[in-house]
Amino acid sequence: AQSVTQPDIHITVSEGASLELRCNYSYGATPYLFWYVQSPGQGLQLLLKYFSGDTLVQGIKGFEAEFKRSQSSFNLRKPSVHWSDAAEYFCAVGDDAGGTSYGKLTFGQGTILTVHP
Amino acid sequence: SAVISQKPSRDICQRGTSLTIQCQVDSQVTMMFWYRQQPGQSLTLIATANQGSEATYESGFVIDKFPISRPNLTFSTLTVSNMSPEDSSIYLCSVLGTSTGELFFGEGSRLTVL
Repeated sequence: AQSVTQPDIHITVSEGASLELRCNYSYGATPYLFWYVQSPGQGLQLLLKYFSGDTLVQGIKGFEAEFKRSQSSFNLRKPSVHWSDAAEYFCAVGDDAGGTSYGKLTFGQGTILTVHP
Repeated sequence: SAVISQKPSRDICQRGTSLTIQCQVDSQVTMMFWYRQQPGQSLTLIATANQGSEATYESGFVIDKFPISRPNLTFSTLTVSNMSPEDSSIYLCSVLGTSTGELFFGEGSRLTVL
């Protein structure tokens, strides 16, 4: 069974600092990988996704993530954090079986990001 | 993208009662999914709801506890039956967008069971 690990439960950074959120996955085949953000009282918003091709993917709000097959990782990065980035971030892996499986995501535990002014 | 509306946004319920959560989408979608997010936990898929057929439940979830309806391509309901405090969670409706593999979520329904 696939699994996702986000080692950091809570990260605090200063506004303007760089950010990297870690994500490791366990999956036998080529995974579909996602990063979602959940702001307080909001639903989940997709930041970016990786299906195939270029291993460095760009997302919304200035985020990017790099797929490293050798490390089974899909870390999320942002060069300069804004106070509005404070939220909870979820990494997720999807099955490549297609069809209904595209909606069956396995999520990590989430990382709460706090941004200090 | 898809706009997903859920009702209620939050509710406080008594043990032993049932609550039905509604999910309305602004466009027709084939597949809808119901997830649960327990306090301090990640999201877990409850079931897949397809129009015209019974919902498909994931391991650990059963129809008697979480009956689902899918009467058309824009609407679904999830009922949490015979609730206990362990059912206190955020329940999220989600749909697959036109882009393959992109899952859109509603804002969730926060349920507290006393």
